[in-house]
Amino acid sequence: QKEVEQNSGPLSVPEGAIASLNCTYSDRGSQSFFWYRQYSGKSPELIMSIYSNGDKEDGRFTAQLNKASQYVSLLIRDSQPSDSATYLCAVNHGAGSYQLTFGKGTKLSVIP
Amino acid sequence: NAGVTQTPKFRILKIGQSMTLQCAQDMNHNYMYWYRQDPGMGLKLIYYSVGAGITDKGEVPNGYNVSRSTTEDFPLRLELAAPSQTSVYFCASSPVRRENQPQHFGDGTRLSIL
Repeated sequence: QKEVEQNSGPLSVPEGAIASLNCTYSDRGSQSFFWYRQYSGKSPELIMSIYSNGDKEDGRFTAQLNKASQYVSLLIRDSQPSDSATYLCAVNHGAGSYQLTFGKGTKLSVIP
Repeated sequence: NAGVTQTPKFRILKIGQSMTLQCAQDMNHNYMYWYRQDPGMGLKLIYYSVGAGITDKGEVPNGYNVSRSTTEDFPLRLELAAPSQTSVYFCASSPVRRENQPQHFGDGTRLSIL
């Protein structure tokens, strides 16, 4: 059973702070990792992808991957109220697999 | 560029009725997927397709059927609707043969079975 675990939250941070979202996964063969943002009543929207150990930065977002610890995280700097959403971690099933397993998501609230 | 288009956006069915959820993409993606999302839960894969004429079961296929006669279209069929199928259904697509390509989602179909 391939599992992706996320803290369901809600995670509340003040505006301007750093939000840290975490995800662990069970399949050691996984090679592709994605963070999706989902506003209430809307579809998931890709915000970050990461494939190699280390950090990947895109604007205010930084994805961090540690394959040895089977851990992926998303940092949101200078959090804005518009960042308030549920963040879904998705992991592929292993080398060559195009299937994704999604976590249940972490609900983030940015307080003005 | 429409991306992934799902119809209808909302539907109410009675128990035992059948319906087809439509999904079309205009990005020439080979891979297409159907997910369901229950409240407070992540996405569960129902069926997927790697190309026209090729489909396979995902994690929760019972009660559903799919077909893929063209690259663009991937309809999901509910034959005998049950209350447990009340959910939000998302169709997604991704480009060819690369596992590191992200999936692009449609806006979803909100389905209630009463």
